[in-house]
Amino acid sequence: AQKVTQAQTEISVVEKEDVTLDCVYETRDTTYYLFWYKQPPSGELVFLIRRNSFDEQNEISGRYSWNFQKSTSSFNFTITASQVVDSAVYFCALSDPGGGSQGNLIFGKGTKLSVKP
Amino acid sequence: DAMVIQNPRYQVTQFGKPVTLSCSQTLNHNVMYWYQQKSSQAPKLLFHYYDKDFNNEADTPDNFQSRRPNTSFCFLDIRSPGLGDAAMYLCATSREKTVIGFYEQYFGPGTRLTVT
Repeated sequence: AQKVTQAQTEISVVEKEDVTLDCVYETRDTTYYLFWYKQPPSGELVFLIRRNSFDEQNEISGRYSWNFQKSTSSFNFTITASQVVDSAVYFCALSDPGGGSQGNLIFGKGTKLSVKP
Repeated sequence: DAMVIQNPRYQVTQFGKPVTLSCSQTLNHNVMYWYQQKSSQAPKLLFHYYDKDFNNEADTPDNFQSRRPNTSFCFLDIRSPGLGDAAMYLCATSREKTVIGFYEQYFGPGTRLTVT
């Protein structure tokens, strides 16, 4: 079965600390896609990254980095030198191509990150 | 900027009184989605449109309907809202799935529905 597990429900850090958000997935598919979204208190889900299963290169975008490891079925997200504006709920999601004509996203339950000044 | 717009941002309706939420997009995406998100939960897909092709999730209640009159607009109709329908409703769009690609969804800011 397709499943995404974000074991960390809430994380609290102090500004400038590094923080890693864990994501573990299960899938039957050989080709699949993984995503991270940020949901700040305003409510809008903001797309951060898409990664396909054939590309295991780590990615860095400013203070954000992602570590994709197929061997452990994990797609972890690290924020370096966290800032108060990083406070949000972060969702990891997995593609489910069998979900309707256009597939579906299977979301984890989210990790609420609080960054304190 | 290309974007997904939802109106209104906040909607209050009475128990049993029909309500319509709207979504528009300037991304020219073929696919539009409606999600329901309750407090401290992940978004739950209600249905999606691929062009005019409507795809309902198996567990979406009949109380929820949708219309897509053109590429840019999509509406969510709740025929008889109950207290349990109070939630954030999120609209999203994406490019269509292909054999080589499954694309990210872009979300609007959401409409927070209160049922009194």
